[in-house]
Amino acid sequence: GAGVSQSPSNKVTEKGKDVELRCDPISGHTALYWYRQSLGQGLEFLIYFQGNSAPDKSGLPSDRFSAERTGGSVSTLTIQRTQQEDSAVYLCASSLGARDQPQHFGDGTRLSIL
Amino acid sequence: AQSVTQLDSQVPVFEEAPVELRCNYSSSVSVYLFWYVQYPNQGLQLLLKYLSGSTLVKGINGFEAEFNKSQTSFHLRKPSVHISDTAEYFCAVSPNILTGGGNKLTFGTGTQLKVEL
Repeated sequence: GAGVSQSPSNKVTEKGKDVELRCDPISGHTALYWYRQSLGQGLEFLIYFQGNSAPDKSGLPSDRFSAERTGGSVSTLTIQRTQQEDSAVYLCASSLGARDQPQHFGDGTRLSIL
Repeated sequence: AQSVTQLDSQVPVFEEAPVELRCNYSSSVSVYLFWYVQYPNQGLQLLLKYLSGSTLVKGINGFEAEFNKSQTSFHLRKPSVHISDTAEYFCAVSPNILTGGGNKLTFGTGTQLKVEL
């Protein structure tokens, strides 16, 4: 597609369940970033991929959070045993390379934990 | 490490009036600077960026910003706003050196611009 695509756009789940969020970056973009936007914390960096490897995972808030990227393209962010504080909008962005700007953002996945 | 301060959480302004949204940053290394806009239920859209060169940067929708290194500021301006400019605006920085984190962005807390008739 022309832009960064994220799915689902909305996800409601019960506390304790696992969720998977998907990001399909712009074709040819090797750098991929996940961010979280929440009322209390604002916009926070979670993880960065260059190709299929993740040289910076420093923003992942706990070991319940993990992410992978396959084929240098699609990325999945997984949250295990969800907690209410995980409720947020999860944004994905991609750029042509590690030094190439700007980052292009998807519309996000709004995650609500009941 | 970098940090970004947007002191104004909300800025009300009348249509066709000028507006300035303030952004100050702190960093131990040189940075790239960005302004993004977010409309309700949408992702972030790049308004403009400063990478190098001229300190006055022009972006989309008539916005411009000026990089002031001595004051560590990157204020966003528009000479005449429209109702359609109502949105949340985020200032962001990234290190302009290749680090293990690529060019991850550090964001300010955002400024809600409300344009009134």
